[in-house]
Amino acid sequence: NAGVMQNPRHLVRRRGQEARLRCSPMKGHSHVYWYRQLPEEGLKFMVYLQKENIIDESGMPKERFSAEFPKEGPSILRIQQVVRGDSAAYFCASSQGQGALTEAFFGQGTRLTVV
Amino acid sequence: EDKVVQSPLSLVVHEGDTVTLNCSYEVTNFRSLLWYKQEKKAPTFLFMLTSSGIEKKSGRLSSILDKKELSSILNITATQTGDSAIYLCALYTGANSKLTFGKGITLSVRP
Repeated sequence: NAGVMQNPRHLVRRRGQEARLRCSPMKGHSHVYWYRQLPEEGLKFMVYLQKENIIDESGMPKERFSAEFPKEGPSILRIQQVVRGDSAAYFCASSQGQGALTEAFFGQGTRLTVV
Repeated sequence: EDKVVQSPLSLVVHEGDTVTLNCSYEVTNFRSLLWYKQEKKAPTFLFMLTSSGIEKKSGRLSSILDKKELSSILNITATQTGDSAIYLCALYTGANSKLTFGKGITLSVRP
């Protein structure tokens, strides 16, 4: 059973470009979460999705950031018109069910560098 | 705003030592507390704690939750260099299953 798969592992974008980060949850998991980790900071929640639904996007910036989890295919975190401050590690986690009694498993992360 | 505070921020020990890592929290709707180990990659799940006073154990690692004190500890006995990592404490709060993380504790185990 493959774990949570994220790609790419490393992504370099110039200011103003778009970044697309992909996450395939563990087999059997239908709940996906995106977190961002800045240097010297803990992981910060961004968005929680189930298939075709955004459940909680309270941690996501209102502009330039969007996320989706289509019926088929991976979850995508999209950052438009990237700025230097978007440089961070973006982690995806998945869980089997909703609720606080199911552990979430993390992917390896995508390290985004904006130059 | 929910808050998770870990201490110390960093720790250096020698192989064979025992370490205790602390996590305290202020949250409005506690559901469960999780510990993760993060090396240079994905945070790896260690423990989930929901009930106070019940120790969870895995090899040389153990953890316990104290809901009265709003805290948890992670113990590592007979430390090895492979235990060097960042240890993250996180809480599930509220209805939507998001995790609130502390900043992590950087543990360095010297040979």
